[in-house]
Amino acid sequence: AQSVTQLGSHVSVSEGALVLLRCNYSSSVPPYLFWYVQYPNQGLQLLLKYTSAATLVKGINGFEAEFKKSETSFHLTKPSAHMSDAAEYFCAVATTGTASKLTFGTGTRLQVTL
Amino acid sequence: EPEVTQTPSHQVTQMGQEVILRCVPISNHLYFYWYRQILGQKVEFLVSFYNNEISEKSEIFDDQFSVERPDGSNFTLKIRSTKLEDSAMYFCASSDDHQPQHFGDGTRLSIL
Repeated sequence: AQSVTQLGSHVSVSEGALVLLRCNYSSSVPPYLFWYVQYPNQGLQLLLKYTSAATLVKGINGFEAEFKKSETSFHLTKPSAHMSDAAEYFCAVATTGTASKLTFGTGTRLQVTL
Repeated sequence: EPEVTQTPSHQVTQMGQEVILRCVPISNHLYFYWYRQILGQKVEFLVSFYNNEISEKSEIFDDQFSVERPDGSNFTLKIRSTKLEDSAMYFCASSDDHQPQHFGDGTRLSIL
């Protein structure tokens, strides 16, 4: 069975500081990995995806993530946080392709302070 | 950019009543999904639908739930006899073979 663990339910950073949101996965087959962002009262918006091509994946809004098989990790980073990045971030895993069911982590709420 | 649209945005229903949540997936997508998010909890998979039949469902998706694609554009989730614990945000998503799932903004279902 596939699963995702997100370390840290809340992360607070200063504006301009590095953002690091952690995600570790468990999968018996090569995974497809995703990061979604949820702004208040909105749906889930795809930030980026890993589908076995390049291990460093660039997404929207300056975010990127690196797939590390040896560490079973897919951490999300952004060099410089902006106030508009404040949201809930979900890591998700699928195992049989982009069209298979997603298993989500519990989410990390990112707070950005002045 | 094409969007998944869901209606209504908020549904309030008495316990025991039937409710239908509606979704219009992205037009050229072939795979359709429902997920739910109970307040303060993670997003959970309910069901996936392809080629006019359920392709996978979770333990949550019991006999009280059903899905339908009644025409070429809509995709619905029906809960036959709602319970208090069905209160949640319900998300519809769609995808094709090569693209990740696109989500709608959700329907907040409140059971009284």
